[in-house]
Amino acid sequence: GNSVTQMEGPVTLSEEAFLTINCTYTATGYPSLFWYVQYPGEGLQLLLKATKADDKGSNKGFEATYRKETTSFHLEKGSVQVSDSAVYFCALRGDDYKLSFGAGTTVTVRA
Amino acid sequence: TAGITQAPTSQILAAGRSMTLRCTQDMRHNAMYWYRQDLGLGLRLIHYSNTAGTTGKGEVPDGYSVSRANTDDFPLTLASAVPSQTSVYFCASRPQGNTGELFFGEGSRLTVL
Repeated sequence: GNSVTQMEGPVTLSEEAFLTINCTYTATGYPSLFWYVQYPGEGLQLLLKATKADDKGSNKGFEATYRKETTSFHLEKGSVQVSDSAVYFCALRGDDYKLSFGAGTTVTVRA
Repeated sequence: TAGITQAPTSQILAAGRSMTLRCTQDMRHNAMYWYRQDLGLGLRLIHYSNTAGTTGKGEVPDGYSVSRANTDDFPLTLASAVPSQTSVYFCASRPQGNTGELFFGEGSRLTVL
C-alpha cells in the first residue's frame, strides 16, 4: 500500500536559519505529493504540491521537488521566520484519490 | 467564507456513551473525509464519502460510523466511546477535479474518560 515517512521532530531553529524536512514515500502507480501545514489551533492547509516527477512545488518561500528516483519530496526553506512555526505534514495521493499522511514534524522558530 | 464547520470544538465524554461529531461544508464539494490526528501517527483516515449517498471505510474505521444524506453534511458517530478514541478529529472535503487538495475544518478535540 501507499505510505509516507517523514523526518521526526521536533525541530527548533533560529530565525533566518535553513530548514529541511525529509520525506520519502512508497506507492504504486503515479502518486501526487503534497506538503500541508498546521498552525497552532488550526486545521491543516495546503502548502505546496507536485503532481509528477521532477515537478517543483513552491509557496511562501518553501520548495519541494518530486524525485522519483529517490522516492522523495523534501521540504526546504532558505530563511525561516517565527511565523513558520507549525506542524508540517508530507502527504501522498494515490490513484484512489485518498491521501496518506506522514506523522508530522513540529517546527519551532525562535527569534 | 465558512468553508468547513465542525462541532463541537471540544468535548469530554464518558466511556460507553455515544457521540456525534458534526461536519458541514458550504463549498459543494462531492468528496468528504474524516481523519483522526494522534501524536506520532499523523492523520489516519476513518471514513470517507465520494458523493452524497455513498460512504467507504478508511484505515481505522472500527468503532465509528458515518452517513452522507446530502452534499453538505457528513457526521461521524461513535456508538460506544472508548478511551482509545481520545483524539483530535478533522473533517475535510475535496473539490471535483484532479488536484487532490483537501480543505480541512478546524478540528474537534474529543476526550474519552
